[in-house]
Amino acid sequence: AQSVAQPEDQVNVAEGNPLTVKCTYSVSGNPYLFWYVQYPNRGLQFLLKYITGDNLVKGSYGFEAEFNKSQTSFHLKKPSALVSDSALYFCAVNRDDKIIFGKGTRLHILP
Amino acid sequence: GAGVSQSPSNKVTEKGKDVELRCDPISGHTALYWYRQSLGQGLEFLIYFQGNSAPDKSGLPSDRFSAERTGGSVSTLTIQRTQQEDSAVYLCASSLDPEDTLSGNTIYFGEGSWLTVV
Repeated sequence: AQSVAQPEDQVNVAEGNPLTVKCTYSVSGNPYLFWYVQYPNRGLQFLLKYITGDNLVKGSYGFEAEFNKSQTSFHLKKPSALVSDSALYFCAVNRDDKIIFGKGTRLHILP
Repeated sequence: GAGVSQSPSNKVTEKGKDVELRCDPISGHTALYWYRQSLGQGLEFLIYFQGNSAPDKSGLPSDRFSAERTGGSVSTLTIQRTQQEDSAVYLCASSLDPEDTLSGNTIYFGEGSWLTVV
């Protein structure tokens, strides 16, 4: 069974508008959830993580994510998008002894 | 070094040839992971090492793929008799140990080895 799903291959947002990149998970128990970003021709960079505690997690570059247990979601959000946020975003979850990644969502911020 | 180092950064090889991809993890990191990134496939887990042993090889796509790690440090991913479908970016990552990873501490990725099989 797929552990992490990112339902959108691509998301387009106008600069200055709020953005949301969706992620749902299907891991039993209490998952640890992560978001990573990959800029063009660069390696994967950690953005934020949810382990326990507050459902709203704040991370790098003004991003935040909301853990919703009833909806098994962990959507990535930012109040005001920048063109420089354009990149490939991966949601990830721990399973067994490794980190499993979603297929990624390409975010385009339009000037 | 300061980060995870991978070599070669780019490799073009002919179908049927063997290739070796190298990963130098962050010093002191005992856990090492290999992932493959193909267009439209996201990041596929291949194998992970704890020290020199590989508790989980479940992601290796076929017996043409193998990996080893020596001295608890450098790891080599070998692909024998390469096929065009092996073309992808192969990413290596390391963390202090798997417990750290699963407790939420981050794993650190290299910039990848771009493999093209022609």
